[in-house]
Amino acid sequence: GDSVTQMEGPVTLSEEAFLTINCTYTATGYPSLFWYVQYPGEGLQLLLKATKADDKGSNKGFEATYRKETTSFHLEKGSVQVSDSAVYFCASSIQGAQKLVFGQGTRLTINP
Amino acid sequence: DVKVTQSSRYLVKRTGEKVFLECVQDMDHENMFWYRQDPGLGLRLIYFSYDVKMKEKGDIPEGYSVSREKKERFSLILESASTNQTSMYLCASRSRQGGSNQPQHFGDGTRLSIL
Repeated sequence: GDSVTQMEGPVTLSEEAFLTINCTYTATGYPSLFWYVQYPGEGLQLLLKATKADDKGSNKGFEATYRKETTSFHLEKGSVQVSDSAVYFCASSIQGAQKLVFGQGTRLTINP
Repeated sequence: DVKVTQSSRYLVKRTGEKVFLECVQDMDHENMFWYRQDPGLGLRLIYFSYDVKMKEKGDIPEGYSVSREKKERFSLILESASTNQTSMYLCASRSRQGGSNQPQHFGDGTRLSIL
């Protein structure tokens, strides 16, 4: 069945470091792909999305490119800030269904 | 902006109680969802609803039921609460327009403790 696999955390970086969080998916057909962010004590917020192959989603300095050939949607940011500390979830739509399937989440901590 | 409101941020109940978690959305979305979030397990879908009075089981429906009498409101019911239902519960809604491109919008969550 459809699934999403994220790199295991936690990930700890220093401020201004380069960030990559890996995400790969298995799906029937061509899903839409999403990254969500969860700040402490809050629900999930949509960070970015891509709906077809080679699309690049971007928001708040974060980017992710939909790679059909590698079935990946890695999240990147060139220079992280302390305020980026949060849990990040990769998600994939399921073709023909109204649901999303989520990865297990990656906890990111940025130290000043 | 879409607003999804969960009635309680924190809730403490006793084993065997019947527990109601309420969720309201203000964007006339057709689809609504209940998840539970546990460390190391990510989000797991309990139930979802694609229209008023319509519901479908998710991945872990055992011990739960739902109610959707009005479009804007989706309730999660723990029929007889047990300690293994202690968790963070997240509600989400989504428009059916535009198909799978549409994201889900989440509430802030209810942290439920069963003693």
